[in-house]
Amino acid sequence: DVKVTQSSRYLVKRTGEKVFLECVQDMDHENMFWYRQDPGLGLRLIYFSYDVKMKEKGDIPEGYSVSREKKERFSLILESASTNQTSMYLCASSQYTDTQYFGPGTRLTVL
Amino acid sequence: DQQVKQNSPSLSVQEGRISILNCDYTNSMFDYFLWYKKYPAEGPTFLISISSIKDKNEDGRFTVFLNKSAKHLSLHIVPSQPGDSAVYFCAALEPARQLTFGSGTQLTVLP
Repeated sequence: DVKVTQSSRYLVKRTGEKVFLECVQDMDHENMFWYRQDPGLGLRLIYFSYDVKMKEKGDIPEGYSVSREKKERFSLILESASTNQTSMYLCASSQYTDTQYFGPGTRLTVL
Repeated sequence: DQQVKQNSPSLSVQEGRISILNCDYTNSMFDYFLWYKKYPAEGPTFLISISSIKDKNEDGRFTVFLNKSAKHLSLHIVPSQPGDSAVYFCAALEPARQLTFGSGTQLTVLP
C-alpha cells in the first residue's frame, strides 16, 4: 500500500511566520503534489513536482514555494504566513498522471 | 472558471437506497475521470475511475457513468451504507496536464 505521510496534523502559526509543511511518500513515485482544500472550492493545486529539484506552479502558487531535494520528500513553504492561508493542506503522490495517493492532511490555522 | 463542477454541495439518502452524485465538466479535452472519497480529518482516497472510451465502469457497489455528449458523469452507490457518508470529489484529467477537481459533495447516509 502506498503511504503518504505529512509532518503535522494540526498547526497554529502567527501572521508573518515562516511555515514548513513536509510530506514523505514511500512508493518511489515520480510525481508529488500540494493542494489546499477550502469549503466550496474543492482541492486546488498549489505546486507539483515530477522529479527531484523540479517544480511546477499549479493554479494558486502565490504566497507559496516548494522544495524537493529527495525523491520521497516534498516540502511546502509559506514564506510569510497570512490569515488567508488558513486551510487544509493535502500532499499527494503518483507514479503516472492519473491516480494520486493522498496524505492525511495538515490543518493550518494562521492567527 | 471551474472546469469541473459538482453543483450539489450536499446529498442525504436513506440507508439501502441508491446515492447518485453528479459532476459536470466543460473541457472536452478531459479523457479520464476519477472519483475520490474523503472522510473528515483524512486525505481523499481513490474510489473508481473511467476512461473516456467507456461509458460505464463498475466496482462492487460503485458504478460510474460517463455521458461524453452531455459532458456529465455520475457515481451511483447501491445500496448506500452509513459508512459511505463522506465528501465525494470528482476529478478529470487532460493529457499531459494535472488533475482538476470539483468542489465536492457531502453525502450523508441516514440509518
